[in-house]
Amino acid sequence: GNSVTQMEGPVTLSEEAFLTINCTYTATGYPSLFWYVQYPGEGLQLLLKATKADDKGSNKGFEATYRKETTSFHLEKGSVQVSDSAVYFCALATSGTYKYIFGTGTRLKVLA
Amino acid sequence: DSGVTQTPKHLITATGQRVTLRCSPRSGDLSVYWYQQSLDQGLQFLIQYYNGEERAKGNILERFSAQQFPDLHSELNLSSLELGDSALYFCASSVGAVGVGRNEQFFGPGTRLTVL
Repeated sequence: GNSVTQMEGPVTLSEEAFLTINCTYTATGYPSLFWYVQYPGEGLQLLLKATKADDKGSNKGFEATYRKETTSFHLEKGSVQVSDSAVYFCALATSGTYKYIFGTGTRLKVLA
Repeated sequence: DSGVTQTPKHLITATGQRVTLRCSPRSGDLSVYWYQQSLDQGLQFLIQYYNGEERAKGNILERFSAQQFPDLHSELNLSSLELGDSALYFCASSVGAVGVGRNEQFFGPGTRLTVL
């Protein structure tokens, strides 16, 4: 079945450090891929998405590229801020299904 | 603000009781999804409705049920509650259901359920 695997957290970085959160997936067909972010006490918000191979999603300085050959969708940011501290979820959805598969989430802590 | 509203924000109840969580989707969205988020299970998809009809089921217990009404709001009913049902329950909505990959979900702020 479809699944998403994320790196375990927490990830602790200093402000302005480079961020990578790994995400790999297993899916039949051609899924769309998403990163959601959950700030403390809030619901999930869509951060970025990519709907086909080699697409790059980007938003708020975050980027992720849909790599079909490695079945990956790693999240990157060149310079993190304290305000980026949150839990990040990788997710996939396949066309014709009605549900998203979420990873377990990776908590990011950015220290000033 | 995603435009998805959930009530109540917090709910404290006892084992064996029954509760109802309510969700109003964004204006124009026809699909509603329910998720359970707990410390040990992560984010689990429970059920999805599209325009009043059930479309997909995930890891939803038989003690739980949901429905979507003609005005598109949805309710999640949890009965015979157990301690392990304590969790955050999120509702999400999207425009459609077909080709779900083209319809991102917008999440509500959640209802925190505590079962004592």
